[in-house]
Amino acid sequence: TQLLEQSPQFLSIQEGENLTVYCNSSSVFSSLQWYRQEPGEGPVLLVTVVTGGEVKKLKRLTFQFGDARKDSSLHITAAQPGDTGLYLCAGVLLYNQGGKLIFGQGTELSVKP
Amino acid sequence: GAGVSQTPSNKVTEKGKYVELRCDPISGHTALYWYRQSLGQGPEFLIYFQGTGAADDSGLPNDRFFAVRPEGSVSTLKIQRTERGDSAVYLCASSRNGQSLSGYTFGSGTRLTVV
Repeated sequence: TQLLEQSPQFLSIQEGENLTVYCNSSSVFSSLQWYRQEPGEGPVLLVTVVTGGEVKKLKRLTFQFGDARKDSSLHITAAQPGDTGLYLCAGVLLYNQGGKLIFGQGTELSVKP
Repeated sequence: GAGVSQTPSNKVTEKGKYVELRCDPISGHTALYWYRQSLGQGPEFLIYFQGTGAADDSGLPNDRFFAVRPEGSVSTLKIQRTERGDSAVYLCASSRNGQSLSGYTFGSGTRLTVV
């Protein structure tokens, strides 16, 4: 059983379209992060959210942390081919000592020109 | 160094052999993590070091897997009697103090293939 359920697992869209990726859990997280990973590379941190209801924007990317700190979403506006990659959500469980990250399964995004 | 360095980048080994994977974290980062990632999946936690000690090894799949960090810097993940199911990308990450707000930096990983 996956502690962090990420959906969809695959997404293929045309340039200019909007999309949302979801990350859900029944557990509470002290913080949640979103990463982007390209083939042959390690995940690269995009954002960290720590407060329930928090919204952060990074250019065309909007990240939201659920009020109860059990879920998060990533919304991309006007996707571009350069957004193609594997998007991963990862959280640190509440009361976890040491910052061990629990990852979702990932969303493989393909943006076609 | 400027980033997390992992060597080798690729390793092909025969079933039953022993392998060592090395991670050189960012200088001054006390926390070091090992993860394993199968194709198309998210990374799966293996072990976490704070300084020289393994603070959490709950993710190691069995006693064939072992990791050390003798001087609190470089870490080595050791796999004995490798099996084909061990084939994956092994990722290392470090952070300043093990707190999520200080951020994690991942290496590019070691792709292990057991034939």
